[in-house]
Amino acid sequence: GAVVSQHPSWVICKSGTSVKIECRSLDFQATTMFWYRQFPKQSLMLMATSNEGSKATYEQGVEKDKFLINHASLTLSTLTVTSAHPEDSSFYICSARDQGNYGYTFGSGTRLTVV
Amino acid sequence: QKEVEQDPGPLSVPEGAIVSLNCTYSNSAFQYFMWYRQYSRKGPELLMYTYSSGNKEDGRFTAQVDKSSKYISLFIRDSQPSDSATYLCAMSAGGTSYGKLTFGQGTILTVHP
Repeated sequence: GAVVSQHPSWVICKSGTSVKIECRSLDFQATTMFWYRQFPKQSLMLMATSNEGSKATYEQGVEKDKFLINHASLTLSTLTVTSAHPEDSSFYICSARDQGNYGYTFGSGTRLTVV
Repeated sequence: QKEVEQDPGPLSVPEGAIVSLNCTYSNSAFQYFMWYRQYSRKGPELLMYTYSSGNKEDGRFTAQVDKSSKYISLFIRDSQPSDSATYLCAMSAGGTSYGKLTFGQGTILTVHP
């Protein structure tokens, strides 16, 4: 089945630094990937749609200059949290769909802690 | 009002019980309905996928969608301790919004031996 790999699984960084999270579709190509954010005991909230070869589309209220998305190839999308602050600490998850399947496959998530 | 409402529980049942999980929604544009299972500190895993109204069965799992009532359900038969997880309903409209999922809050389920 379709596999989405996300790296790193967890990261701790200092306030003010930037962190890059990678999302790869391992056995299929994905022209579109999605990035979600999940706070403890809350549901997933869509942050942005990552489009291969073009600019990402951000949901209302999501700062595009803070959450930089790059989808340079059909198998890789990256989310960079710039100038991270403690309030950015969260669980970030990406998803993608193999055209042969219904539904979307999610990565294993990245737990970001900003100290 | 949230677009998708789901009782967060927690729900605790004995092994072998039938579990009923449900969500209500307000956006009539939703056409695709999914149930995901999420273990702690992991990404969601797709369990069931349904298009429009109707029932779908897969092993011990049955998904029901009633678009007229804007109500979806997931039934788990012969529940096992390994079913203990958070269950998330998710839905999307069609077309260019197909992949933009709106999730419920998730129901925490514990199946005890």
